[in-house]
Amino acid sequence: QVQLVESGGNLVKPGGSLRLSCAASGFTFSDYYMNWIRQAPGKGLEWVSYISSSGSTIFYADSVKGRFTISRDNAKNSLYLQMNSLRAEDTAVYYCARVSPLGGSGSYSDSWGQGTLVTVSS
Amino acid sequence: DIQMTQSPSSVSASVGDRVTITCQASQGISSWLAWYQQKPGKAPKLLIYSASSLQSGVPSRFSGSGSGTDFTLIISSLQPEDFATYYCQQANNFPLTFGPGTKVHI
Repeated sequence: QVQLVESGGNLVKPGGSLRLSCAASGFTFSDYYMNWIRQAPGKGLEWVSYISSSGSTIFYADSVKGRFTISRDNAKNSLYLQMNSLRAEDTAVYYCARVSPLGGSGSYSDSWGQGTLVTVSS
Repeated sequence: DIQMTQSPSSVSASVGDRVTITCQASQGISSWLAWYQQKPGKAPKLLIYSASSLQSGVPSRFSGSGSGTDFTLIISSLQPEDFATYYCQQANNFPLTFGPGTKVHI
């Protein structure tokens, strides 16, 4: 079955960097677009970034543009999020999510990982 | 950016109740809307996509409707496992945006 496992979350100081990984299994990773979505403690969901199956199309939320970089390695069935210049407001659980193939051009997330916690604090 | 609003923000209900949650987009999004269910400490789960299409494996007591700017999620007969927070999400364009959530509680 579809499995997404995030890793790399940690406590980091403001201004620091972190790289999140998402290991995919149970489906042909290279066929699917992917999202990163985050949730601050006790808050709602916030979309962070999107990458197409080949990596040729990428979008970012304004809140992370210029600081975060999404990438993927289809040979390793892995998705990444490089996070630089981290701020306290980036503190959240970060989820990787697979984009459903059933929604046409709509980006619906049909499978999610369990999330990895990033805490930005001095 | 497209802003999503939901009402109510929370609803108290009992097993067997019919629950209706509404979602409104700040501009027309055709049928590019999804509904997710999230339980405490868990990842969200896709329930409905394209406004009214039921995701595989989701019970038929969940249904979605609407187009343009106004959408509705209905739980026809609330079950104990349905107590959770529900989010709508527009998929019309980037940035993808979510509603603030509706908590369904006893």
